[in-house]
Amino acid sequence: DAGITQSPRHKVTETGTPVTLRCHQTENHRYMYWYRQDPGHGLRLIHYSYGVKDTDKGEVSDGYSVSRSKTEDFLLTLESATSSQTSVYFCAISESWGHTYEQYFGPGTRLTVT
Amino acid sequence: KQEVTQIPAALSVPEGENLVLNCSFTDSAIYNLQWFRQDPGKGLTSLLLIQSSQREQTSGRLNASLDKSSGRSTLYIAASQPGDSATYLCAVPNAGNMLTFGGGTRLMVKP
Repeated sequence: DAGITQSPRHKVTETGTPVTLRCHQTENHRYMYWYRQDPGHGLRLIHYSYGVKDTDKGEVSDGYSVSRSKTEDFLLTLESATSSQTSVYFCAISESWGHTYEQYFGPGTRLTVT
Repeated sequence: KQEVTQIPAALSVPEGENLVLNCSFTDSAIYNLQWFRQDPGKGLTSLLLIQSSQREQTSGRLNASLDKSSGRSTLYIAASQPGDSATYLCAVPNAGNMLTFGGGTRLMVKP
């Protein structure tokens, strides 16, 4: 298994509170991604990073921000959590991009916003 | 915008049967196509990556084929086992290697 950990693995929080999810990798891969998985919508990209301090938006970025100060860590922040952000969040990594590079996924974080 | 579709959404087969899962995509300008497996409550495990220049990729009892011109890929599972029960997802990358996923096929293999 690729060396990807996510923390916390489960979290329950109240509407309006800030939440930060952490993804940590030991593979020294350049690209890191945050996805969310919801019934009926599948997996959708939130943000991604192509290097330290280099990030960009994905398909569903509203209400989320990210930061990457070290190669191994990619943080996802919900500035003010809403019930619509209840979801399972997956981090992924890839060595680079192009036809030969697979993405590897972490175990996920289940977030419930009450 | 790339759209990825998987049919069927669910499949139930007896143990030992060979089976085919289907994945179709609307934009044939892809670098590769990746098949994943997801067990309930777990993350995604990469099964196979098939490059745009390849037509097939094999790993054990799994064989993935890719036909870019028709926008289709199939995942063939030989001699299915109860341990193969899971959801299977296909995905194709866009610019920046962002993946667009299909909705998945939920497979149940009955003993």
